[in-house]
Amino acid sequence: AQKVTQAQTEISVVEKEDVTLDCVYETRDTTYYLFWYKQPPSGELVFLIRRNSFDEQNEISGRYSWNFQKSTSSFNFTITASQVVDSAVYFCALILTGGGNKLTFGTGTQLKVEL
Amino acid sequence: AAGVIQSPRHLIKEKRETATLKCYPIPRHDTVYWYQQGPGQDPQFLISFYEKMQSDKGSIPDRFSAQQFSDYHSELNMSSLELGDSALYFCASSIRDRGGQQFFGPGTRLTVL
Repeated sequence: AQKVTQAQTEISVVEKEDVTLDCVYETRDTTYYLFWYKQPPSGELVFLIRRNSFDEQNEISGRYSWNFQKSTSSFNFTITASQVVDSAVYFCALILTGGGNKLTFGTGTQLKVEL
Repeated sequence: AAGVIQSPRHLIKEKRETATLKCYPIPRHDTVYWYQQGPGQDPQFLISFYEKMQSDKGSIPDRFSAQQFSDYHSELNMSSLELGDSALYFCASSIRDRGGQQFFGPGTRLTVL
């Protein structure tokens, strides 16, 4: 069975600080996909990134960057120069390609960015 | 670009009533998923359909049923509603062989009083 752990329940930072959200996953499968979603207070789930298990290249998109390390089963997410609009719950999630493609989510990290 | 449509967006029901949630996937997407997100929790997979056939089942109560119709829209039917059914219900759609990318609808917020 697969599992996604987000140990940080809530993080508070001051605007312009950098912040890293941790994600650790467990699976015996060798083929899988990892995701990050943002859920602002309005409730919708906003897709941020997808990474397949064969691609360990780190990715940067504007102020967002992701660090995927298979050796430690981690897929961490860093926001550089955080802004108040980044305040949301962030979910890390996993899909096993042989497991019906259903998403298994972590419990989420509530990020609060204050002025 | 067209997105996943869910209706209604908000629904208030009394205990023991029934509710029907509707989902219209992105055109040409062949797979639909339903997720339930309780207050302060992560979304939990309920059920999925591929080409109108049930493809996977998660922690969906027996009081709930779902189907996908010939036009690919899907409905989640919930009977004998309980207070604990109050949640945000998401529908997502995807193209099955495109590496798992699911596109989520805005969700239906169900409140059971």
